[in-house]
Amino acid sequence: DTGVSQDPRHKITKRGQNVTFRCDPISEHNRLYWYRQTLGQGPEFLTYFQNEAQLEKSRLLSDRFSAERPKGSFSTLEIQRTEQGDSAMYLCASTLDGGYTFGSGTRLTVV
Amino acid sequence: DQQVKQNSPSLSVQEGRISILNCDYTNSMFDYFLWYKKYPAEGPTFLISISSIKDKNEDGRFTVFLNKSAKHLSLHIVPSQPGDSAVYFCAAYSGAGSYQLTFGKGTKLSVIP
Repeated sequence: DTGVSQDPRHKITKRGQNVTFRCDPISEHNRLYWYRQTLGQGPEFLTYFQNEAQLEKSRLLSDRFSAERPKGSFSTLEIQRTEQGDSAMYLCASTLDGGYTFGSGTRLTVV
Repeated sequence: DQQVKQNSPSLSVQEGRISILNCDYTNSMFDYFLWYKKYPAEGPTFLISISSIKDKNEDGRFTVFLNKSAKHLSLHIVPSQPGDSAVYFCAAYSGAGSYQLTFGKGTKLSVIP
């Protein structure tokens, strides 16, 4: 098991474009989380899946954001009509019993 | 409303000495506390954790102390090494909920050779 994988590592996009990130969690982990980290801040919770069910969403997750976890395996996070304020590191983490493992993140830059 | 606070943005320590990183929290529902280490352009790496039923947990050079009455925890690194230079995040969650982590803003530790 190679841990939590995120793709791409970096993404530069023009304002108004749509972007999609992928996360592959540790295979036996049933819980998957998305966090966002901006400069000078700690990671902030965005959303959480238990198996394929999205059980919780932060108020930070505007209508332009959508996340899926089909079949309870990998997850995707899509941002529609990107804005400069969406520039951040997007982190995925998975856990079975509270022992979190984070991926290396996707650095999004909106120009 | 910041529920987990790390009031020192940075800390410099000589190699071989003790590093003490502090964290305060306000939410009484938190019952698990974790410390993560983060290098630029990488995800956080788990260091050590403590549950609210304990007041100390030790793992090699790393020790975490929890003072529930003061809602305060600290991470001690002894001896500090240059490779310890990174940003350290304190995080907490409630075991009764979704295990959603609430992070502090981090403390940048610089260990000077």
